[in-house]
Amino acid sequence: EVQLLESGGGLVQPGGSLRLSCAASGFTFSNYAMNWVRQAPGKGLEWVSTISSSAASTYYADSVKGRFSISRDNSKKTVSLQMNSLRADDTAVYYCAKRGQRGTLTTFTLDYWGQGTLVTVSS
Amino acid sequence: QSVLTQPPSVSGTPGQRVTISCSGGSSNIGTNTVNWYQQLPGTAPKLLISSNDQRPSGVPDRFSGSSSGTSASLAISGLQSEDEADYYCAAWDDSLNGYVFGTGTKVTVL
Repeated sequence: EVQLLESGGGLVQPGGSLRLSCAASGFTFSNYAMNWVRQAPGKGLEWVSTISSSAASTYYADSVKGRFSISRDNSKKTVSLQMNSLRADDTAVYYCAKRGQRGTLTTFTLDYWGQGTLVTVSS
Repeated sequence: QSVLTQPPSVSGTPGQRVTISCSGGSSNIGTNTVNWYQQLPGTAPKLLISSNDQRPSGVPDRFSGSSSGTSASLAISGLQSEDEADYYCAAWDDSLNGYVFGTGTKVTVL
């Protein structure tokens, strides 16, 4: 059974930093790209970042580019999101999600999601 | 703001068929496959339809997806009370080099 467990959320002041982690199990972690998606309170889903299976490629939403950094440790089966220069509009539940299949980005899918971790940016 | 546009809400009575539209552009739906996600109240999103029209294991065949040109749609036939949820379309966008979600549609069962 695929399981994704996020951790690291909490309250942080504007301008501060936070590091989220996601522990994966139930599949061959090193074969799949991993992702972060967020959802602000009462709002829709927003893709944040993707890292390829080997970590050779990373992708970021314009809203976080230059402030957030995604990484992975295939030996520990974890993916992380380092968030710097946090702003109030970064307040959201952050979900870790597994890419559904390998191959080109044409068929990009997120097939399993964690339960999310809440990040609140406020003074 | 999202590049994929959905109606904010749709509603129907039990047993009815409802459809949700998703309008995009040439760099997303026009080029790449569309996925649909269901988010029940207070829970994480769940993959409902992949690659335009493929149902993952366990998804009832009441749910179906289609895509044509720069638009896609999700149909729910035989609407049930447990289908009350938010639904999101999504696709990779080649211009943005990122994954884009639709604005989301709330389905209400009357």
